[in-house]
Amino acid sequence: DGGITQSPKYLFRKEGQNVTLSCEQNLNHDAMYWYRQDPGQGLRLIYYSQIVNDFQKGDIAEGYSVSREKKESFPLTVTSAQKNPTAFYLCASSMDRSSYEQYFGPGTRLTVT
Amino acid sequence: GIQVEQSPPDLILQEGANSTLRCNFSDSVNNLQWFHQNPWGQLINLFYIPSGTKQNGRLSATTVATERYSLLYISSSQTTDSGVYFCAVRYGGATNKLIFGTGTLLAVQP
Repeated sequence: DGGITQSPKYLFRKEGQNVTLSCEQNLNHDAMYWYRQDPGQGLRLIYYSQIVNDFQKGDIAEGYSVSREKKESFPLTVTSAQKNPTAFYLCASSMDRSSYEQYFGPGTRLTVT
Repeated sequence: GIQVEQSPPDLILQEGANSTLRCNFSDSVNNLQWFHQNPWGQLINLFYIPSGTKQNGRLSATTVATERYSLLYISSSQTTDSGVYFCAVRYGGATNKLIFGTGTLLAVQP
């Protein structure tokens, strides 16, 4: 089955710890994205990558870092510098930069206490 | 930046009823998508509809790009239609950044 997988589904961390969220896709898509969703709100873009070894900051990149070493993988690290890390994190992909339709993974719910 | 507003913010329906959800955007867009977020948080693609009308079963969508709005129609609603409906737009530039509205929370009661 082709699709986007995110792991884990739920993640709990203590304040001050870095944590890495996984996103993998087997759709052969070039572009990948990370969004954050807070309760009762829409999604906001954290980082995106249009090709391997290249990524760009989105609207709320502070306190986050990413890497894109393989086409199918786009992990997101939530660092201790992120002031309010508790949120629902969604990964998405699209075929390439000119294919505008994005497809989403099931999400990871991160709780930091 | 571009503003994306959805209405109504909340909607309660009896099973079998029809509804119309609206998405207004403040600037010209290159792409518009409608999503359904189910109670488990999964975002499901409903329509990719930068302009025109599309139908998929009980759902249909119309985007009038020149007037900067899109409508999502749900007919004969079912309890499984419950969840949050988002529209998201892409505008300008060389990147595929989507700007999301705040969503419409739909509850369909049996």
